[in-house]
Amino acid sequence: SQTIHQWPATLVQPVGSPLSLECTVEGTSNPNLYWYRQAAGRGLQLLFYSVGIGQISSEVPQNLSASRPQDRQFILSSKKLLLSDSGFYLCAWSVLDRPYEQYFGPGTRLTVT
Amino acid sequence: GQNIDQPTEMTATEGAIVQINCTYQTSGFNGLFWYQQHAGEAPTFLSYNVLDGLEEKGRFSSFLSRSKGYSYLLLKELQMKDSASYLCAVSSNSGYSTLTFGKGTMLLVSP
Repeated sequence: SQTIHQWPATLVQPVGSPLSLECTVEGTSNPNLYWYRQAAGRGLQLLFYSVGIGQISSEVPQNLSASRPQDRQFILSSKKLLLSDSGFYLCAWSVLDRPYEQYFGPGTRLTVT
Repeated sequence: GQNIDQPTEMTATEGAIVQINCTYQTSGFNGLFWYQQHAGEAPTFLSYNVLDGLEEKGRFSSFLSRSKGYSYLLLKELQMKDSASYLCAVSSNSGYSTLTFGKGTMLLVSP
């Protein structure tokens, strides 16, 4: 069976500090991978998605970036965090022929102070 | 662009039936999806509709009318554990296939 891991679960970082969130998927090959952010009072916002190693598409311009160094690893980064980056960050995966049936990881709750 | 509207909150009683509506505007519609999200947890996939009509899955059913840009999620025999946020999402065939989520409907089930 497939599982998705995210870490850390919670994170408190000061403004201007760097960020690295990691997501890994087990039990499937060549998944589509996604990074979402859910801010308080707002909907789930797609940040990045990837259909393969090194292939990243950005949905929203911001100070965040994503990388996919391995088939089942997806990393979200920032060089300098802003207060507005606070939120619940969710990684998700789907199979190529059913991209809309997405399965989410447990999420990382980020607070920027 | 895409626009999705759903009520912010709804309340219902245990054992009752509740219908959560979702209206959308999108170009190149490819499907409509419902997810359930308990407080502090990740969303979980509930159902999807590509064609018009009703899809039933146990206590949950989802309906789609593409001509009206309308869907609803029907929850029967409500249980306390059904208290959660219900997210409506649509997909478009513009470039890669991605989902756009609504803000969610918070459902509170009371005894």
